[in-house]
Amino acid sequence: DTEVTQTPKHLVMGMTNKKSLKCEQHMGHRAMYWYKQKAKKPPELMFVYSYEKLSINESVPSRFSPECPNSSLLNLHLHALQPEDSALYLCASSRQGGGAHNYGYTFGSGTRLTVV
Amino acid sequence: QKEVEQDPGPLSVPEGAIVSLNCTYSNSAFQYFMWYRQYSRKGPELLMYTYSSGNKEDGRFTAQVDKSSKYISLFIRDSQPSDSATYLCAMSALKTSYDKVIFGPGTSLSVIP
Repeated sequence: DTEVTQTPKHLVMGMTNKKSLKCEQHMGHRAMYWYKQKAKKPPELMFVYSYEKLSINESVPSRFSPECPNSSLLNLHLHALQPEDSALYLCASSRQGGGAHNYGYTFGSGTRLTVV
Repeated sequence: QKEVEQDPGPLSVPEGAIVSLNCTYSNSAFQYFMWYRQYSRKGPELLMYTYSSGNKEDGRFTAQVDKSSKYISLFIRDSQPSDSATYLCAMSALKTSYDKVIFGPGTSLSVIP
């Protein structure tokens, strides 16, 4: 299995809703990431999990709450979002470490989120 | 100055042309260089990965890194309509054990049949 699977593919939510995005990989990767991508912009890093521990939070508002229940799963819990949070949310994973072990990211296809 | 700069295009070429995509960067600590291809409404897909300076070839794709000039390139030979996508350069310094990657803004490529 060489894929990162994200669900749902599309999500429309109101500003008072609570929803969750899910990401799964079975490649044995020990680093997992959440990225946000607006139209015609590069992905922007939100969170990094390394060995199931939160390693980097790029000053993301608390209405986004990540969770890594185990080495294969990554969730992003959403609450009280704003319309400007509408974007493509990408999950990625990578092998841990540098040098010959760093083969770049494997991205999922993303969840297209619309906040109304 | 942005950490990674890339001409956003759009770049339009006829089928069969050689395409040259480029990025410049300012952080001399970057050691790992990647090119991703992103089709519309999809996640980025890793195309090429190189470490430090030099060239790497994979089929119709060649990646070049010149660390002395802080300049990387991706060449696509015999371009096909299926190559139409946004191409993102990306790089990493790996100062920590986390693979934090910085992306360029992307170049939109259209290959016209």
